[in-house]
Amino acid sequence: DAKTTQPPSMDCAEGRAANLPCNHSTISGNEYVYWYRQIHSQGPQYIIHGLKNNETNEMASLIITEDRKSSTLILPHATLRDTAVYYCIVRYNTDKLIFGTGTRLQVFP
Amino acid sequence: DTGVSQDPRHKITKRGQNVTFRCDPISEHNRLYWYRQTLGQGPEFLTYFQNEAQLEKSRLLSDRFSAERPKGSFSTLEIQRTEQGDSAMYLCASSLARANEQFFGPGTRLTVL
Repeated sequence: DAKTTQPPSMDCAEGRAANLPCNHSTISGNEYVYWYRQIHSQGPQYIIHGLKNNETNEMASLIITEDRKSSTLILPHATLRDTAVYYCIVRYNTDKLIFGTGTRLQVFP
Repeated sequence: DTGVSQDPRHKITKRGQNVTFRCDPISEHNRLYWYRQTLGQGPEFLTYFQNEAQLEKSRLLSDRFSAERPKGSFSTLEIQRTEQGDSAMYLCASSLARANEQFFGPGTRLTVL
């Protein structure tokens, strides 16, 4: 599975959009991009995944660049409850998830 | 609540003791996974089951670790002769199929004194 690179930490004001970047420059054509988050003292929670096209669900939007070398997770209106560590994972045809160290997002009032 | 459950939530033990953790997956999920997470790091894959068959084990899973899923439902993870380096959060997850998202339990925090 390809390796991902994320900034270690980010801040966001409550109510504003949080844009979390992920670099996956060695991604192969059939690898999906997954995002999970982990709120303090809880297990990771699935957010969204995509292959080529942008994706949106009730939690977030995922924007994948045309060359697929990077992506951005967008939380459109961040709340204090979105404070968590966000993990970007690339995955294909494997059962295991390979987590990096993620981005610690702090949402402040 | 029909999510993944783990028991116990916390375990403190002395070095050299054996410990066993239990995971109950979401009922219709045939895949069950174990991960370990140390402070400041992301979870690391340990092993997974499809039904009762253990299909992959990480090299992190030393011979002191054993996992079972005898009837394809709940799973247990046993650590024998615990060491201080085993102190971590042990996470269990389940999924319906490989491509589907994994649902994680709250974890069991192990402290080895």
